[in-house]
Amino acid sequence: SQQGEEDPQALSIQEGENATMNCSYKTSINNLQWYRQNSGRGLVHLILIRSNEREKHSGRLRVTLDTSKKSSSLLITASRAADTASYFCATGIQGAQKLVFGQGTRLTINP
Amino acid sequence: GAGVSQSPSNKVTEKGKDVELRCDPISGHTALYWYRQSLGQGLEFLIYFQGNSAPDKSGLPSDRFSAERTGGSVSTLTIQRTQQEDSAVYLCASSLGSTGFYEQYFGPGTRLTVT
Repeated sequence: SQQGEEDPQALSIQEGENATMNCSYKTSINNLQWYRQNSGRGLVHLILIRSNEREKHSGRLRVTLDTSKKSSSLLITASRAADTASYFCATGIQGAQKLVFGQGTRLTINP
Repeated sequence: GAGVSQSPSNKVTEKGKDVELRCDPISGHTALYWYRQSLGQGLEFLIYFQGNSAPDKSGLPSDRFSAERTGGSVSTLTIQRTQQEDSAVYLCASSLGSTGFYEQYFGPGTRLTVT
């Protein structure tokens, strides 16, 4: 079964608005990574947050991690049409080298 | 620098045939991973290499699937006697080291269609 569950499954907003996506997981992690995928092909790495970090920023992206609640959120500010994509959280589980992915959130930015 | 590359980008094969998928990781990345993505199963881990050895093969779905890595660089994923349920996008990723500390960078994937 998938480690991560993402919420919402789909999100549609107007250009310029902020988009928030959430990810919950079940087991202890070393880190949590967010990826973007366009058109069902390669994954683009967005940001990695370690288990001892609570918040991280990269450009218009802000990621938070709450290990007590086993949850993370990805905020994209001032959204653009080019942000339309699927977004996945992936957890680096303690004791394992693989990433375990959530089902993803399909984000649509309307012009 | 160059990212992870995969070939072919698309592969159509008949049921029962063998296929080989290739991955060239980012230069200097010691860890290499294979995943696959299908509509029903999402993104699934298949196998992990550290150097040329594969300490975690737990995601390989059957003994028809195998993978090797040579020279600590290129990896090939082989699927023997392909079945229709093998149709998926096969993604390769590499990282500088342990997933606990490093990002995984993905290639564009190989879309496999078994007819």
